[in-house]
Amino acid sequence: AQSVSQHNHHVILSEAASLELGCNYSYGGTVNLFWYVQYPGQHLQLLLKYFSGDPLVKGIKGFEAEFIKSKFSFNLRKPSVQWSDTAEYFCAVIRIVISNFGNEKLTFGTGTRLTIIP
Amino acid sequence: GAVVSQHPSWVICKSGTSVKIECRSLDFQATTMFWYRQFPKQSLMLMATSNEGSKATYEQGVEKDKFLINHASLTLSTLTVTSAHPEDSSFYICSAGGTSGRSSYEQYFGPGTRLTVT
Repeated sequence: AQSVSQHNHHVILSEAASLELGCNYSYGGTVNLFWYVQYPGQHLQLLLKYFSGDPLVKGIKGFEAEFIKSKFSFNLRKPSVQWSDTAEYFCAVIRIVISNFGNEKLTFGTGTRLTIIP
Repeated sequence: GAVVSQHPSWVICKSGTSVKIECRSLDFQATTMFWYRQFPKQSLMLMATSNEGSKATYEQGVEKDKFLINHASLTLSTLTVTSAHPEDSSFYICSAGGTSGRSSYEQYFGPGTRLTVT
């Protein structure tokens, strides 16, 4: 079965520190990759996505992620975090199966709680 | 664009009663809607996928008769938790994706409904 792993359960950083959150998936075929953020008391928002092309994708709020196919990874990065980045971050993967077009399912990682200390 | 709403945002019900949660795509038509369940400090677990006008596809371990899903139109899906028990207390999140003829690669999430069963 397909799985998505986020190894960092809880990350605590000071403001202006650099951030990297790990995400690995197990499916060997074609995938679409996503990072979502859930701020306290709010709903999931899309940070960025990778479908194809340049493996380095830029998202909102200064976040970026790099797809490394050989490592089955899609790590999220930000060079300088802010207090407002405190949130839960979820990596998610859709495996592309032509026969299932229109019913692709997102598989979520377990999430990483990010706490930024002012 | 791509706004998804859920109603109610919060509901308390007595054990044994049924609760209906609505999910609406406000500014686009969604051929596919997804229902997730999120336990505290855990990831989102897909419960079922619903396509407009057809029966929902449930994930393994999800009781079809307990979690009734109806996707009557391209903008509305409902989840009814029947004969609710305290263990059904959770955060239920819907997402919508895939306009007609397109894949559901991109999903837009609702704000969630917190259900508490007493």
